[in-house]
Amino acid sequence: NAGVTQTPKFQVLKTGQSMTLQCAQDMNHNSMYWYRQDPGMGLRLIYYSASEGTTDKGEVPNGYNVSRLNKREFSLRLESAAPSQTSVYFCASRDSGLYEQYFGPGTRLTVT
Amino acid sequence: KNQVEQSPQSLIILEGKNCTLQCNYTVSPFSNLRWYKQDTGRGPVSLTIMTFSENTKSNGRYTATLDADTKQSSLHITASQLSDSASYICVVSGGSQGNLIFGKGTKLSVKP
Repeated sequence: NAGVTQTPKFQVLKTGQSMTLQCAQDMNHNSMYWYRQDPGMGLRLIYYSASEGTTDKGEVPNGYNVSRLNKREFSLRLESAAPSQTSVYFCASRDSGLYEQYFGPGTRLTVT
Repeated sequence: KNQVEQSPQSLIILEGKNCTLQCNYTVSPFSNLRWYKQDTGRGPVSLTIMTFSENTKSNGRYTATLDADTKQSSLHITASQLSDSASYICVVSGGSQGNLIFGKGTKLSVKP
């Protein structure tokens, strides 16, 4: 039981490049989330998916797209990376009716 | 505006000592309050979750309190250990969409 896994762990992009961050959970949770964490700030919600087939914008969705591929997987795509997207990205999942969110280990992204 | 404020920003204590971290929030409507521990380079891990009706909850050497009237919470760590060195994040669930609102965290360093 790996919980929430994220790939890659580290990534460096040049401005304008694209990439997809992958997230998978093996806990059969319905809801999945993408957050970003910047120095001196709390985690901020980018997008979430309350169930397979649905996605909704969070607090800071601009510049990102998401795909809920199936119940296990929720990916985050940067179409044209910008230096302002340099951050640590966390994926999380939660079961319906429960409060607990389980976080992955994070992806550290640098855009130069 | 929904906000979660934590104090102090950082704290250094000696191993074996106790400490208390503070959290004030202005989130409405309120659903629950969580404390997370985040080790350097890792994702947050839940310590406690308290609903409106709970005013104290313990998890080993960690004890959280909640005063829903004054909108304040504290996390007390007893007999600190070197492994307690981490950031402690206060998170409130609520607001119009029930999303999580994260504080910026308190960085705790426990020295031998």
